[in-house]
Amino acid sequence: EAEVAQSPRYKITEKSQAVAFWCDPISGHATLYWYRQILGQGPELLVQFQDESVVDDSQLPKDRFSAERLKGVDSTLKIQPAELGDSAMYLCASRRSRLGTEKLFFGSGTQLSVL
Amino acid sequence: GQQVMQIPQYQHVQEGEDFTTYCNSSTTLSNIQWYKQRPGGHPVFLIQLVKSGEVKKQKRLTFQFGEAKKNSSLHITATQTTDVGTYFCAGSGGGSNYKLTFGKGTLLTVNP
Repeated sequence: EAEVAQSPRYKITEKSQAVAFWCDPISGHATLYWYRQILGQGPELLVQFQDESVVDDSQLPKDRFSAERLKGVDSTLKIQPAELGDSAMYLCASRRSRLGTEKLFFGSGTQLSVL
Repeated sequence: GQQVMQIPQYQHVQEGEDFTTYCNSSTTLSNIQWYKQRPGGHPVFLIQLVKSGEVKKQKRLTFQFGEAKKNSSLHITATQTTDVGTYFCAGSGGGSNYKLTFGKGTLLTVNP
């Protein structure tokens, strides 16, 4: 079965440094999401793309976070500068369309530790 | 904004006991999805409920959607060690982007 690819699997960085995460959704999936999951919590939406366009970034801390999906396929999430409170799992998910009845396919995530 | 509450936060059972987790939304939902996340893993889709009062079964798992489409439950009969993990509900309120809001999840541990 096709999978959502994410890299790196783990990232350790010092505060004030820049970090970037990459996601390649399942082929043909028009909708891509970046979620942040703190240990013991549910995934929280950071940004939603429909093809190459951002359709929801209301919860994205735009002073330090940025996301792009230039060709409507793979996506990059960047944090600059990283803060201690950014330590979390960053999950990418995709689905065929943004219809609410479509299920999400999650990648394995990037575990970020900020020291 | 839409909020989805889930209880309990943790549940520890003996193998063979039943388990139930409940999900409540602050607003009426168009549909609700359930996901399971194994320890160290990522959320995996289990099922979707769309109709008011809907009940769906997957082997030992029974999912229900409330009549008012504001609450849902997942019941596991005779738990097994393979059921260990965190169960999340995720509700969609519709709207142009069909935003999916996740609950905080219920962590199930099973003592063999």
